[in-house]
Amino acid sequence: KAGVTQTPRYLIKTRGQQVTLSCSPISGHRSVSWYQQTPGQGLQFLFEYFSETQRNKGNFPGRFSGRQFSNSRSEMNVSTLELGDSALYLCASSLRGQGHEQYFGPGTRLTVT
Amino acid sequence: SQKIEQNSEALNIQEGKTATLTCNYTNYSPAYLQWYRQDPGRGPVFLLLIRENEKEKRKERLKVTFDTTLKQSLFHITASQPADSATYLCALDSGGYQKVTFGTGTKLQVIP
Repeated sequence: KAGVTQTPRYLIKTRGQQVTLSCSPISGHRSVSWYQQTPGQGLQFLFEYFSETQRNKGNFPGRFSGRQFSNSRSEMNVSTLELGDSALYLCASSLRGQGHEQYFGPGTRLTVT
Repeated sequence: SQKIEQNSEALNIQEGKTATLTCNYTNYSPAYLQWYRQDPGRGPVFLLLIRENEKEKRKERLKVTFDTTLKQSLFHITASQPADSATYLCALDSGGYQKVTFGTGTKLQVIP
């Protein structure tokens, strides 16, 4: 079974721009969660989608949004980028949801200059 | 406020010894607790999940305990090997649709 894939792997943007990251979960998994990882804050939960519905949301500003398509693929969008948004963005898929075994992708390394 | 603490940022042990990592939490009532391993530049990899009504779980050289009275989980790696060197993360979930919260991790270095 193919693992979780994320595109792009690396991205450099400037302040004020917007960015869209993509995640393809493991086949059959309906839950996709997004996390931001930084050296100072660790792994922080952004949101979870299950069968195209946002089921959970972390404490991030409205500039961070996401969606999930009928094939379970998910996208995350960050608008009006700030320097502090530089981070590794990870997505994880799960058969039954966040509270169960999650499979993480390799991440997208976003650098905001 | 809710808090998850992993005993130390870094832990060095000699090859062959048992590594013990600690995850303490406050103001949570987790239904599950998970442990993940993360190597540099890669996403975390799931290792073990233990439920609130389970005291202990094992998988090969790994053992996890969960004490809801002490609000603590211990993660043991027996007969540690240099290949076990990585950052280990604990994660709490309060069940249902509650979000999962990760600890900041303990970086384990196994010295040959």
